Amino acid sequence: AQSVAQPEDQVNVAEGNPLTVKCTYSVSGNPYLFWYVQYPNRGLQFLLKYITGDNLVKGSYGFEAEFNKSQTSFHLKKPSALVSDSALYFCAVHSSNTGKLIFGQGTTLQVKP
Amino acid sequence: GAGVSQSPRYKVAKRGQDVALRCDPISGHVSLFWYQQALGQGPEFLTYFQNEAQLDKSGLPSDRFFAERPEGSVSTLKIQRTQQEDSAVYLCASSFPGTGVNTEAFFGQGTRLTVV
Repeated sequence: AQSVAQPEDQVNVAEGNPLTVKCTYSVSGNPYLFWYVQYPNRGLQFLLKYITGDNLVKGSYGFEAEFNKSQTSFHLKKPSALVSDSALYFCAVHSSNTGKLIFGQGTTLQVKP
Repeated sequence: GAGVSQSPRYKVAKRGQDVALRCDPISGHVSLFWYQQALGQGPEFLTYFQNEAQLDKSGLPSDRFFAERPEGSVSTLKIQRTQQEDSAVYLCASSFPGTGVNTEAFFGQGTRLTVV
């Protein structure tokens, strides 16, 4: 069975500092991994995805994620956090059979000025 | 419209009442997904349509849940005899052209259902 885990319920960082939101995965076969962000009262917004190729994936709003096969991780990163980055972040794995996404529990990112 | 539209945004239902939640996908999108997001949890898959065909309904939690997409565009998720455990945000997503890994799913804002 495919699954993802986000070990941190909440991550707190100061504005201007680098941020990391952790995600580990368990899949059979090739992993297709995604990050989505959810702002209050808004739908999920796509940030980035890893399909194949470079282990460092660049996405929207200055975010990037590093795919690490040996550690089965796909951590989300940003070099310098903004207060406006405060939101709920979800890691997900794609099921190639139907295209459905299997989400982690989510991590709340709080960026303080 | 420009994005996936869901209505109503909020719904309060009395226990035992039937509800219908609507999803207008992005025009031309072939695939349509429904997810259930309980408070403090990640979205969980309910069902998937390719055009009008419901190809996967493995995530529907009980036979009280029913989804349809009769003309391959608008979809309705119906919940019969609602229970308190049905309280959640119901998210709809669509994608084009299909289910391949290179397609990106676009999500609606969701319908928050509260069963009292």
